[in-house]
Amino acid sequence: DAKTTQPPSMDCAEGRAANLPCNHSTISGNEYVYWYRQIHSQGPQYIIHGLKNNETNEMASLIITEDRKSSTLILPHATLRDTAVYYCIVRPTAGGTSYGKLTFGQGTILTVHP
Amino acid sequence: DTAVSQTPKYLVTQMGNDKSIKCEQNLGHDTMYWYKQDSKKFLKIMFSYNNKELIINETVPNRFSPKSPDKAHLNLHINSLELGDSAVYFCASSQHKLAQGNEQYFGPGTRLTVT
Repeated sequence: DAKTTQPPSMDCAEGRAANLPCNHSTISGNEYVYWYRQIHSQGPQYIIHGLKNNETNEMASLIITEDRKSSTLILPHATLRDTAVYYCIVRPTAGGTSYGKLTFGQGTILTVHP
Repeated sequence: DTAVSQTPKYLVTQMGNDKSIKCEQNLGHDTMYWYKQDSKKFLKIMFSYNNKELIINETVPNRFSPKSPDKAHLNLHINSLELGDSAVYFCASSQHKLAQGNEQYFGPGTRLTVT
């Protein structure tokens, strides 16, 4: 699976947009970009994923560059409850030997402050 | 209703003992996983089962034996527990969809402490 690079930590003011970057310069054409987060002492939570196009759901937006070598997760109006470790993961579609395997890196610790 | 549940939430035991952790999902998914998160917070996959068949088996000591009695359950049995087994173990599930992304839903975790 392609490796990802994320900043170790970021801060954001409550109510402002949080923009979390991720570099995945070795991504392959069949690999998706996934974002998960882990709030302290809880299980990881799926946020969003995309292949080529930008995606939006009720939690966040995912912006993928045209060359697919980087992406940005946007939390449009961050709240204190969004404080968590955010993981950017790339992995192939569900077929193949990796079959659903998620490889978590160190992620970005996002701290939302009042 | 809890989508992915694990029991117990906490488990404290002595070295050399044998213990089991249970996982159940009520999402109707066909694929289940076990992950281990160590003290440094690294989260690594251990096993994956699809329709009760073992699909992924990472480099895990054979003291760890997963069992999937049906699609909704994936249990983890650990023999001869060692200090290094202390960690938080997460169960997850997903619906396998060829050529598409498939999000995984995680349980709350089981914190295992071996003394």
